Amino acid sequence: SQTIHQWPATLVQPVGSPLSLECTVEGTSNPNLYWYRQAAGRGLQLLFYSVGIGQISSEVPQNLSASRPQDRQFILSSKKLLLSDSGFYLCAWSYSRTGVDIQYFGAGTRLSVL
Amino acid sequence: GQNIDQPTEMTATEGAIVQINCTYQTSGFNGLFWYQQHAGEAPTFLSYNVLDGLEEKGRFSSFLSRSKGYSYLLLKELQMKDSASYLCAVTDSNYQLIWGAGTKLIIKP
Repeated sequence: SQTIHQWPATLVQPVGSPLSLECTVEGTSNPNLYWYRQAAGRGLQLLFYSVGIGQISSEVPQNLSASRPQDRQFILSSKKLLLSDSGFYLCAWSYSRTGVDIQYFGAGTRLSVL
Repeated sequence: GQNIDQPTEMTATEGAIVQINCTYQTSGFNGLFWYQQHAGEAPTFLSYNVLDGLEEKGRFSSFLSRSKGYSYLLLKELQMKDSASYLCAVTDSNYQLIWGAGTKLIIKP
């Protein structure tokens, strides 16, 4: 069965510091991968998605970037965090070959930028 | 623009039935999803509708009317553990998933 791992679970970082969040998927190959951010009491905002190694699509202009160095690894980064980067970050994967593209989420990382 | 509307919050009683509505306006339609999200946790997949009608999964059912741009999630025999936010999401013509803000469901004993 497929599993998705996301870490760390919580993170407190000072303004201006770098960020690296990692997500890995097991049990499937060539998944679609996604990074979302969820502000408190709000819906999910898609940040990046990837359909393959090195293929990244950005949905929202910001000081974040994403990379996919391996098939089942997706990394969210920032060189300098802003206060507004605080939120709940979620990685998700999907497998669209069946025609039903259901997204499954990792446990999330709660980021507080102080 | 693309839009998904859900009530912000609903309250129901343990053991009762509750219906959470979702209306959408998107550029094309390729499916509608319902997710459950407990406070502080990640969303988990509940159901998927692509054709009109009712899909039943145990205590949970989801209905879709594409002509009306409308769906509902029906929860029966409510339990305290059903207290959570319920997210409606629609796949548009570009196969992008558009998310609603979610409905917070509060279950009272």
